[in-house]
Amino acid sequence: EPEVTQTPSHQVTQMGQEVILRCVPISNHLYFYWYRQILGQKVEFLVSFYNNEISEKSEIFDDQFSVERPDGSNFTLKIRSTKLEDSAMYFCASMTGLRNTEAFFGQGTRLTVV
Amino acid sequence: DAKTTQPPSMDCAEGRAANLPCNHSTISGNEYVYWYRQIHSQGPQYIIHGLKNNETNEMASLIITEDRKSSTLILPHATLRDTAVYYCIVTTKGTYKYIFGTGTRLKVLA
Repeated sequence: EPEVTQTPSHQVTQMGQEVILRCVPISNHLYFYWYRQILGQKVEFLVSFYNNEISEKSEIFDDQFSVERPDGSNFTLKIRSTKLEDSAMYFCASMTGLRNTEAFFGQGTRLTVV
Repeated sequence: DAKTTQPPSMDCAEGRAANLPCNHSTISGNEYVYWYRQIHSQGPQYIIHGLKNNETNEMASLIITEDRKSSTLILPHATLRDTAVYYCIVTTKGTYKYIFGTGTRLKVLA
C-alpha cells in the first residue's frame, strides 16, 4: 500500500539553527500539507501546497517557515531559525485532490529544539 | 476552530461495539465527514468518510443522520489495539485542509 514517508523520525537541533524536514508524498497525489502537534495538544494545520505554490497557510506559518517541492518527489518544510516552541511532531500529508478522497499522513518527525 | 464536537473520552469493553458520536451541526451541503484516529503520537490514520449515506469498510461503519448534523463511528468489535484518539473532521472546500478538534480518547478495556 502506498504511504507517505518522512525523514528523519527524530531531529534534535539547537535554538537558532535551521532545520529541514523531508517528506515523500504518494506519487500521484497533487495536494500536500504540513501539520504539527505540540506534545499533548491538537494537531494543527500549517500549510497546504498545490501546483508548486502555497494555497493556504495558517497564522503559525510565519516568515520563519517555508515549503518547497524541489524535485517533483520530495516535499520539504524549512524552519529558518528554530525556537524552543517549535518543538513538536510535524506531520506531512498528501491527497489526490479529488473531492471525495482522503489525506494520507506520514508517521511524523519529532523535532526537539534545545 | 473545528466544526465538530466530540466527547473527550469513552471506554469500551474488548469485543464489544464502540460507538463514537460527533456533532457537526454547521456542516454545509457538500462537506464530507471524515474520521481519523491517532495512536500515541503516530500520524493520523484514515478510517472512513461519508457525505450523507451510511458507509462501511473493513475497519468501521459510519452512520450519518438524515439532517447531517451528527454522525456516529462504529467499531463493531473493539480490540485493545483500537485504543486511540478518534477525530471527526469536516473538510473545508478549496484546499481540503483538516481542522482537528480535541477528539475522543477511546480506551478499550480487557
